[in-house]
Amino acid sequence: DTGVSQDPRHKITKRGQNVTFRCDPISEHNRLYWYRQTLGQGPEFLTYFQNEAQLEKSRLLSDRFSAERPKGSFSTLEIQRTEQGDSAMYLCASSLPPQGLASTGELFFGEGSRLTVL
Amino acid sequence: SQKIEQNSEALNIQEGKTATLTCNYTNYSPAYLQWYRQDPGRGPVFLLLIRENEKEKRKERLKVTFDTTLKQSLFHITASQPADSATYLCAFYSSASKIIFGSGTRLSIRP
Repeated sequence: DTGVSQDPRHKITKRGQNVTFRCDPISEHNRLYWYRQTLGQGPEFLTYFQNEAQLEKSRLLSDRFSAERPKGSFSTLEIQRTEQGDSAMYLCASSLPPQGLASTGELFFGEGSRLTVL
Repeated sequence: SQKIEQNSEALNIQEGKTATLTCNYTNYSPAYLQWYRQDPGRGPVFLLLIRENEKEKRKERLKVTFDTTLKQSLFHITASQPADSATYLCAFYSSASKIIFGSGTRLSIRP
């Protein structure tokens, strides 16, 4: 397995346009996360899936953001009517649930999708 | 709400010295803490996990401590090298599934 992959790596768009990012997690991982990161800040939690179910969503996430994981494999994050404040790195991560003393519950991150809204 | 604080100022130290980074948390008692490394333009990479019943964890030149009384974790890199220059993030599970991160500390090792 080659790890978590994200596409596109970079996206430049004009304000008001819709954008969609795709994430392909590590195949045996049932947990998938989306984070947003701006310069000088740590990753900010956006949403989480276990298999195809979206189990948690940040209260900070506006209605313009929607995420799906239709078959419990890849996931998409769509931002509608983009604003300049949406400019950030969007990170996807996958993991197995932490179980047992040997488990670290670590997140495996992709390289991110950098969004610039003009 | 749960909060993680890391020193937002960059840490600059001489090669060969020990770097010590601090992570403080409030309004929560995590069962364990994770540390990640992030290089510019890349996603974070997991380094170490320490559980609440472990005072110290080591991995090669890395050492992590966890003080549940002080609500603090310290991350040490001994015999630091310029290749250790990166941003280091601490994180914990704030629920059964949600992991939250600190803002990270940027470490710079000068030759």
